[in-house]
Amino acid sequence: GAGVSQSPSNKVTEKGKDVELRCDPISGHTALYWYRQRLGQGLEFLIYFQGNSAPDKSGLPSDRFSAERTGESVSTLTIQRTQQEDSAVYLCASSLGAGGAYEQYFGPGTRLTVT
Amino acid sequence: LAKTTQPISMDSYEGQEVNITCSHNNIATNDYITWYQQFPSQGPRFIIQGYKTKVTNEVASLFIPADRKSSTLSLPRVSLSDTAVYYCLVGDERAAGNKLTFGGGTRVLVKP
Repeated sequence: GAGVSQSPSNKVTEKGKDVELRCDPISGHTALYWYRQRLGQGLEFLIYFQGNSAPDKSGLPSDRFSAERTGESVSTLTIQRTQQEDSAVYLCASSLGAGGAYEQYFGPGTRLTVT
Repeated sequence: LAKTTQPISMDSYEGQEVNITCSHNNIATNDYITWYQQFPSQGPRFIIQGYKTKVTNEVASLFIPADRKSSTLSLPRVSLSDTAVYYCLVGDERAAGNKLTFGGGTRVLVKP
């Protein structure tokens, strides 16, 4: 079956521009997570959704970052007025439920480069 | 919030057994212990999950002592393709978001 997909796979943008990153989770997975991973670093939690609601937005680095999910399916992470420190791989994961007992299935990530 | 501590890196050789220990001193009663593997340029993938004692699957074994304050991921007879970063997570079925954090992981390098 289809796994988690993300698009684009690579995105190069100029400082100050807005970008949208897309995640298509596994069908039927109610939980969806966004993470950021800088080069050589671990995963940094950004936000998660349970259904279309985001109970925890505490990981979003600034108000330039926002995310939404619709139809308990696709999610979009938007970064406004990108900065060079936003350069990283953005990973999306989905799971049957939100919690430590549930396996997270990760997408391949979107590599964002801000020039 | 169960904080986890793992070694930053480990080196091994092909054919050897690799054991990675994760410390989680303030693990809660309902917390599960889950390990993920991440290859370069890929997202992490689930390896194994346990609650207590020992769990084994086709990829690895997970040893959890009675006090559950640590856990050890064991990779038998590693090959070069096992070179990856390994993450330990601790949380219960309600822990999500920043209550379920991956941390820095352990970078395992398997040498010929």
